[in-house]
Amino acid sequence: DSGVTQTPKHLITATGQRVTLRCSPRSGDLSVYWYQQSLDQGLQFLIQYYNGEERAKGNILERFSAQQFPDLHSELNLSSLELGDSALYFCASSTGLAVQETQYFGPGTRLLVL
Amino acid sequence: DAKTTQPPSMDCAEGRAANLPCNHSTISGNEYVYWYRQIHSQGPQYIIHGLKNNETNEMASLIITEDRKSSTLILPHATLRDTAVYYCIVRALYSSASKIIFGSGTRLSIRP
Repeated sequence: DSGVTQTPKHLITATGQRVTLRCSPRSGDLSVYWYQQSLDQGLQFLIQYYNGEERAKGNILERFSAQQFPDLHSELNLSSLELGDSALYFCASSTGLAVQETQYFGPGTRLLVL
Repeated sequence: DAKTTQPPSMDCAEGRAANLPCNHSTISGNEYVYWYRQIHSQGPQYIIHGLKNNETNEMASLIITEDRKSSTLILPHATLRDTAVYYCIVRALYSSASKIIFGSGTRLSIRP
């Protein structure tokens, strides 16, 4: 158990809909990262937040957005969903910003768009 | 961040040492070598990391060559639960972004 929790575990929805994925980092961790894993793209970095502020962006679509709240939990919002958004979405956390800090991953949310 | 090259798949007998190679010939002096693994759609799990010295923890050992152009992850006594995809990742110490760039990894199968 990494100490990172994600809800829900599974999500099934239809095209065009909007969903919110939630992540609670390990106690004391200020950085939260979101990654997407699809069959054809592998594990890809989406976005990072540190202490409530956006720090880095990867290949995140404009239909996707995220935020980190004062209690440090984070939410990833996916809107106007398409079939291709079906994937595993992982959240990871680390203590701060240093690159050499270990990122601990949550169990993921499996999203299926029908 | 430097690119890494790993064999797509390997297998190992249960109880034997599993040695997973990684080539990172373009690594620079401020880049760490990290290893993560992913067991069947679970979240990636941190294993070990190192800069230039060999490292050992309760999970594995990391052997980095003197020129740092390659490394080997060693699972000393592989069990069936070690079946997973293993990712070798190189990360710059002073990068402006601390994201992890995952490659394709090595799919390790442990046979009984």
